[in-house]
Amino acid sequence: GAVVSQHPSRVICKSGTSVKIECRSLDFQATTMFWYRQFPKQSLMLMATSNEGSKATYEQGVEKDKFLINHASLTLSTLTVTSAHPEDSSFYICSARGFGREDYGYTFGSGTRLTVV
Amino acid sequence: RKEVEQDPGPFNVPEGATVAFNCTYSNSASQSFFWYRQDCRKEPKLLMSVYSSGNEDGRFTAQLNRASQYISLLIRDSKLSDSATYLCVGVKTSYDKVIFGPGTSLSVIP
Repeated sequence: GAVVSQHPSRVICKSGTSVKIECRSLDFQATTMFWYRQFPKQSLMLMATSNEGSKATYEQGVEKDKFLINHASLTLSTLTVTSAHPEDSSFYICSARGFGREDYGYTFGSGTRLTVV
Repeated sequence: RKEVEQDPGPFNVPEGATVAFNCTYSNSASQSFFWYRQDCRKEPKLLMSVYSSGNEDGRFTAQLNRASQYISLLIRDSKLSDSATYLCVGVKTSYDKVIFGPGTSLSVIP
């Protein structure tokens, strides 16, 4: 089946630094990639939707200058958390919908646990 | 009102029990629905799609009632391995937006 590879799985960074998270679709073309954030004991919250070759669409309340999304190819999307602060510590997950899939089953990456100290 | 709502639980049931979860959605929410399962500190994984005609996969049965705007998931003969959080998910297919419910926590006890 469709696989989305997400790296890194865990990262600890100092406050003020930037962190890049990568998601790759391994056996399908991901024309659309979704980025979610999940705080402990809370639901997944959609941060942004990225389409290959165009600017990402951000959800209300998500700062586009802080969470930079690049979807330069059909198999790779990246999320960069710039100038990270402790309140950005969270579980970040990407999800992809492959081109031509009709059942709308979204495949998720394994997630990145970000801790900002 | 949230677009997709669930009872967060937790539901604590003995092994072998039958347990049912419900999920309600607002009129403007979604057109396609799914149940996902999420284990602690892991990514969500698709459990099954939900159709008006019902969908059964082994011990799991999902149902969509558009008139009443709710989705159900029935788990029969619960196993310890069924312990997880179950997420009700709606998709606005017109513009491909995925909406997650808050999840229902299930613990199956020996």
